[in-house]
Amino acid sequence: AQSVTQLDSHVSVSEGTPVLLRCNYSSSYSPSLFWYVQHPNKGLQLLLKYTSAATLVKGINGFEAEFKKSETSFHLTKPSAHMSDAAEYFCVVSDTTSGTYKYIFGTGTRLKVLA
Amino acid sequence: DADVTQTPRNRITKTGKRIMLECSQTKGHDRMYWYRQDPGLGLRLIYYSFDVKDINKGEISDGYSVSRQAQAKFSLSLESAIPNQTALYFCATSDPNKFEAFFGQGTRLTVV
Repeated sequence: AQSVTQLDSHVSVSEGTPVLLRCNYSSSYSPSLFWYVQHPNKGLQLLLKYTSAATLVKGINGFEAEFKKSETSFHLTKPSAHMSDAAEYFCVVSDTTSGTYKYIFGTGTRLKVLA
Repeated sequence: DADVTQTPRNRITKTGKRIMLECSQTKGHDRMYWYRQDPGLGLRLIYYSFDVKDINKGEISDGYSVSRQAQAKFSLSLESAIPNQTALYFCATSDPNKFEAFFGQGTRLTVV
């Protein structure tokens, strides 16, 4: 069975400081991992994805994430937060090797950026 | 035009009423999904379909049913709506080659 744990429900950072949103996963197979962002009253936008290629994945808007199999982690980072980064972020795991292709979401991390 | 279109975008309905949420996609993918989002719970899978003849229950299917009318259309029905089905509902389709899922803008459903 697959599961995702987002370790922080809320994170606050000052504008211009680094962002770290933590995600741990559990999967019986080789997982595909994703980060999606949801801005207020908006739909879900894909930030980045890991699908068994390079372990350091770069996404849109300066975000990146590193797949660490030994730690079962896929933390999202950004060197310098911008006010427009304030949103809710979801870590998602999908078991694409067994053919089930279900997308399992974490409970979300709400990022607040302080001026 | 959006790749995944959900209708309606907002709906208020009364307890006991039947309601259908519709989803259509132009990506040409076989796989489609329905999720509901509740604050603090993330998105939870209601139903998913891998082709027109393949429908599967997700983790929270009780009280819901679905219909896959065509490759591009996947509808979610609440046969008798109850207040705890008040939520934001998302439809999605996925690309089996690129692995990523594409989501609609969501339908905000309120059951009073």
